[in-house]
Amino acid sequence: DAGITQSPRYKITETGRQVTLMCHQTWSHSYMFWYRQDLGHGLRLIYYSAAADITDKGEVPDGYVVSRSKTENFPLTLESATRSQTSVYFCASTVRGPYGYTFGSGTRLTVV
Amino acid sequence: ILNVEQSPQSLHVQEGDSTNFTCSFPSSNFYALHWYRWETAKSPEALFVMTLNGDEKKKGRISATLNTKEGYSYLYIKGSQPEDSATYLCAWEDNYGQNFVFGPGTRLSVLP
Repeated sequence: DAGITQSPRYKITETGRQVTLMCHQTWSHSYMFWYRQDLGHGLRLIYYSAAADITDKGEVPDGYVVSRSKTENFPLTLESATRSQTSVYFCASTVRGPYGYTFGSGTRLTVV
Repeated sequence: ILNVEQSPQSLHVQEGDSTNFTCSFPSSNFYALHWYRWETAKSPEALFVMTLNGDEKKKGRISATLNTKEGYSYLYIKGSQPEDSATYLCAWEDNYGQNFVFGPGTRLSVLP
């Protein structure tokens, strides 16, 4: 189906483990984003990508790594998970212009 | 630091009341201002994207205006209904394609 999908929907991991959150979109949107949702902060940008092989840091990039070898995929990796990374993570995509972002359904990550 | 602010943080209105809230953003390097509706446990849903100073957009009972010179946008809801209860987010996009900043949101509760 067309759209933007995130996986997994829920994940529990232990402190220090590496975990990867997946994001896949079928529209060939050039821009993709990763946000985290935290109480009192709304949505904060972790990383974004303007095109394949082009990524850049957002507001809160520390502890995260991204890659974009293909336009449709934008995985987010927590290299060594910490409890402060417990959050809901949203992936989004868009084409530049008067278009809104389309968000995935979110991944709820708990680091114990 | 790029500040996108929204006010009020939250408000409660009675069914049938009209309401409005504000998003303020940097007026320099402006490209687009987005409004999103975000219901609990769902992903944000795009309402409007505005790019031109003086833009007004309308979708049913919801409308928005944009002033890029002074850096603010208003969202209006006419005749609020309980199903309008949600968090309303604005997001500012710069013209370099480098900054996509969400405000903290206004949480609206419409009481029947």
